[in-house]
Amino acid sequence: AQSVSQHNHHVILSEAASLELGCNYSYGGTVNLFWYVQYPGQHLQLLLKYFSGDPLVKGIKGFEAEFIKSKFSFNLRKPSVQWSDTAEYFCAVIKTAGNKLTFGGGTRVLVKP
Amino acid sequence: DTEVTQTPKHLVMGMTNKKSLKCEQHMGHRAMYWYKQKAKKPPELMFVYSYEKLSINESVPSRFSPECPNSSLLNLHLHALQPEDSALYLCASSQDRGQGGAFFGQGTRLTVV
Repeated sequence: AQSVSQHNHHVILSEAASLELGCNYSYGGTVNLFWYVQYPGQHLQLLLKYFSGDPLVKGIKGFEAEFIKSKFSFNLRKPSVQWSDTAEYFCAVIKTAGNKLTFGGGTRVLVKP
Repeated sequence: DTEVTQTPKHLVMGMTNKKSLKCEQHMGHRAMYWYKQKAKKPPELMFVYSYEKLSINESVPSRFSPECPNSSLLNLHLHALQPEDSALYLCASSQDRGQGGAFFGQGTRLTVV
């Protein structure tokens, strides 16, 4: 069965610091990859997704992620965070042509002003 | 229109009640999903409908009964729930199965008393 691991459960950083959140998955076949964000009290929003092509994917709000197939990783990055980036971030994976989206455990990010 | 609309936003029900959660999307997506999210946890998949047919049931208890009346609507019928079923119930939709639940609704916060 596929699984998704997010190694950092909590991250605390100051505004303007750089952010990198790790995501690893266990499935060996072809997958589609996603990062979602959930702001306090709000619903899940899609930040970015990778299906194929350029492994460096740019999303909304200045986020990007890099797919490294050999490492089964899809890490999320933002060069300079803002207080408004305080949220929970979820990595998710689905097998290509499958229909079960599996989420990682989430990373709570707190950006101090 | 890139929204998934869920009603009601909040629901309190007794253990002997029967209620329904509703989800609607007008993006032409042919896959729709129900997820359950407990506090500080990632969403857990419950059901997947693909082209209005149930394709995945993640061993969900029969007190939860999904229904897909047409390609735009998804219902979750609730009966004889337990207090531990209290959670945020999320609906999602995507263009086809391989893309997973790309768009999520705001959820229905359910409390069982």
